[in-house]
Amino acid sequence: KQEVTQIPAALSVPEGENLVLNCSFTDSAIYNLQWFRQDPGKGLTSLLLIQSSQREQTSGRLNASLDKSSGRSTLYIAASQPGDSATYLCAVVSGAGSYQLTFGKGTKLSVIP
Amino acid sequence: NAGVTQTPKFRVLKTGQSMTLLCAQDMNHEYMYWYRQDPGMGLRLIHYSVGEGTTAKGEVPDGYNVSRLKKQNFLLGLESAAPSQTSVYFCASSRTGGIEQFFGPGTRLTVL
Repeated sequence: KQEVTQIPAALSVPEGENLVLNCSFTDSAIYNLQWFRQDPGKGLTSLLLIQSSQREQTSGRLNASLDKSSGRSTLYIAASQPGDSATYLCAVVSGAGSYQLTFGKGTKLSVIP
Repeated sequence: NAGVTQTPKFRVLKTGQSMTLLCAQDMNHEYMYWYRQDPGMGLRLIHYSVGEGTTAKGEVPDGYNVSRLKKQNFLLGLESAAPSQTSVYFCASSRTGGIEQFFGPGTRLTVL
């Protein structure tokens, strides 16, 4: 059974700092990996999707990398801003048929002004 | 283009009552999903559908039923609500399998 772990569970950084969020998964046979952002009491906003054949994806200040063989992904946020404060979720699709997402429990990020 | 919408946003039920959560998408997506999010558990798949008229069980299907009579709608039913079903329910959709999933805003359900 696929398991997804995100470390750390919470992170607090000063504004302007570059930071890295980590995600690991136990089964390397994945179709894709998706990073989401969730604000308190809100739904999930898709940030980046990396297909299994890709190594990284970039969107603005965000860069996500994927290393299937080691079962790891990182989300790099450059020049963090208070508006980046949210919970970041990593999820993988690893099964044919349902193509369900298996989620990590998230990293709660606080960017201090 | 509203994306994925969910009705209602909030609901309080008493144990044993029934209700239906509605998910609608206007992106002509084939795949639709129902997840629940609980503190310390992350999101888990309840049921999913790979097209109009199809449904299948996910990781935690007990106590729920679903229907996909129209391609754009995916309904989640609770026949006899239990306190263990207190959760936030999210609907998602994707054009096909194995690609980006888009999520609705969620329904916060409390069962007393």
